[in-house]
Amino acid sequence: DAGVTQSPTHLIKTRGQHVTLRCSPISGHKSVSWYQQVLGQGPQFIFQYYEKEERGRGNFPDRFSARQFPNYSSELNVNALLLGDSALYLCASSLEGGGTNYGYTFGSGTRLTVV
Amino acid sequence: SQELEQSPQSLIVQEGKNLTINCTSSKTLYGLYWYKQKYGEGLIFLMMLQKGGEEKSHEKITAKLDEKKQQSSLHITASQPSHAGIYLCGRKGAAGNKLTFGGGTRVLVKP
Repeated sequence: DAGVTQSPTHLIKTRGQHVTLRCSPISGHKSVSWYQQVLGQGPQFIFQYYEKEERGRGNFPDRFSARQFPNYSSELNVNALLLGDSALYLCASSLEGGGTNYGYTFGSGTRLTVV
Repeated sequence: SQELEQSPQSLIVQEGKNLTINCTSSKTLYGLYWYKQKYGEGLIFLMMLQKGGEEKSHEKITAKLDEKKQQSSLHITASQPSHAGIYLCGRKGAAGNKLTFGGGTRVLVKP
């Protein structure tokens, strides 16, 4: 069984550019969450989607947006990149929105570097 | 201050020795997750605790939840080099739609 897959694994962008990160959840999982992890800190919640609807949003500017597709995969978009957006972006999938007794399963992340 | 405080921030332990990591929440714990992360990689789910007094074990790792104190602890017995990494506790919110993480505890096991 494939786990949570994220692409790309690494990315370098220039300030002001736009980036799209992708995530495929575990087969059968209907919820996808996005987290940002800056070096040396714990992950910070960005969004949660369940059944293609936004269920939660963290304290991030409107430059950050996301969506979930009918096959439950998800995209995270970040516009007008800033140096401070450099981080590891993690995607987590779960059976439903509440995390279940099996927890949230995280992907390996996308390392974004903004120069 | 952070909503979820982990202590210590880092520790170095001799192989074979025990270690304990603590996680204290400033808010009600509806569920507490423990994850392990290798540098720059994704999070590996260890355990989830939901009820006060709950204790779970997997191999040499034991986690406990003290709901009244809003604290959880992670204990590793007879540590091995494979236990090295960053341990993160995550608090499940009331809406159940997100995890709030602590800052992590960096563990180094010396052979």
